[in-house]
Amino acid sequence: AQTVTQSQPEMSVQEAETVTLSCTYDTSESDYYLFWYKQPPSRQMILVIRQEAYKQQNATENRFSVNFQKAAKSFSLKISDSQLGDAAMYFCAYRKRYGGSQGNLIFGKGTKLSVKP
Amino acid sequence: DTAVSQTPKYLVTQMGNDKSIKCEQNLGHDTMYWYKQDSKKFLKIMFSYNNKELIINETVPNRFSPKSPDKAHLNLHINSLELGDSAVYFCASTGFSGNTIYFGEGSWLTVV
Repeated sequence: AQTVTQSQPEMSVQEAETVTLSCTYDTSESDYYLFWYKQPPSRQMILVIRQEAYKQQNATENRFSVNFQKAAKSFSLKISDSQLGDAAMYFCAYRKRYGGSQGNLIFGKGTKLSVKP
Repeated sequence: DTAVSQTPKYLVTQMGNDKSIKCEQNLGHDTMYWYKQDSKKFLKIMFSYNNKELIINETVPNRFSPKSPDKAHLNLHINSLELGDSAVYFCASTGFSGNTIYFGEGSWLTVV
């Protein structure tokens, strides 16, 4: 069975600085997706970034980038120039890539990020 | 214009009651999900439907019964509510490519 592990229950960063959130996963599949979701206190689940396993290039979305190490099964999220609005719970998630839309997300337990002014 | 919408957003009810949470998506997706987020914020899949057909049914008490009248709707009915059912329930959907799963805003259920 696939598992996702986030080893940092809480992290803190100073405003404008950079922080990296860690995620490791376990799977025997070769084709899958990895995601980072942000959950602010409102509890809304917001997709931050997505990585396809077959792509070697690391995904980037503005201030958010990932370090995807397929062999090591590692998928960390880097937030640059941290802003107060980045404070939230961050979830790493895995999804096997099927031929169609079937299959669910498997989540890590989350990392609570605080941003200090 | 909300892509995945759930109602109600907040629900406070007494133990033993029966309640339903409704979910609708206007994205044209063919797969929908229910996830439960417990008090420790752990998110876990409960059910998944693909074109109205149940494809994922995790270990969930049979007091929980999903119903999908069409591929745009997936409702969750809960019988005989217990204190431990208190959680945030998320509906989600994905299209054929399956490369992104979109979530509703969550339904906060409190059982007292």
